[in-house]
Amino acid sequence: NAGVTQTPKFRVLKTGQSMTLLCAQDMNHEYMYWYRQDPGMGLRLIHYSVGEGTTAKGEVPDGYNVSRLKKQNFLLGLESAAPSQTSVYFCASSYGRRDYEQYFGPGTRLTVT
Amino acid sequence: GDSVTQMEGPVTLSEEAFLTINCTYTATGYPSLFWYVQYPGEGLQLLLKATKADDKGSNKGFEATYRKETTSFHLEKGSVQVSDSAVYFCAPSTGGGNKLTFGTGTQLKVEL
Repeated sequence: NAGVTQTPKFRVLKTGQSMTLLCAQDMNHEYMYWYRQDPGMGLRLIHYSVGEGTTAKGEVPDGYNVSRLKKQNFLLGLESAAPSQTSVYFCASSYGRRDYEQYFGPGTRLTVT
Repeated sequence: GDSVTQMEGPVTLSEEAFLTINCTYTATGYPSLFWYVQYPGEGLQLLLKATKADDKGSNKGFEATYRKETTSFHLEKGSVQVSDSAVYFCAPSTGGGNKLTFGTGTQLKVEL
């Protein structure tokens, strides 16, 4: 049981380049989330999805797009990377019930130069 | 919006010392409350949770009680070990999408 996996683990981009981060879960969870973690700021929600084909904005959505074409996958895209997007990105998934926890992936460390 | 206040770290303790990490929150509705732990270089793992007032969550010797009247969910452990060194996050879950709101986290260092 792999749980939540993220691809890639590390990436270095130049300003203006684009990339897609892939999150996959094998727990049949309805809800999926993308967070970014910056020093001294905890985790902040970028976008989330409450089901296949649906997405919604979180706290810090600007500069990112997402897609949930399949229930098990949640993609995070950066169309034109900026140094301010240097961060560690975490994906999470959940059954979505109020009393149910989120399961987190191992993270992707992204550096934009 | 929702928010979480945790004590600033790092907190440095000797092995077998008593641990308290304070957490207070503001949240709409009736949140579930979670403590997550992050070991170096890893993602977050659930440590414990409580879903209604006066519930006590516990795991691996850690405990926290849901105090609705004081909007608090303080984490305690009677005797910490070096292996407990990590960053601890308190997070209420609320709203459509059951989104988690994180504080800045509290780094714990346990020394021999």
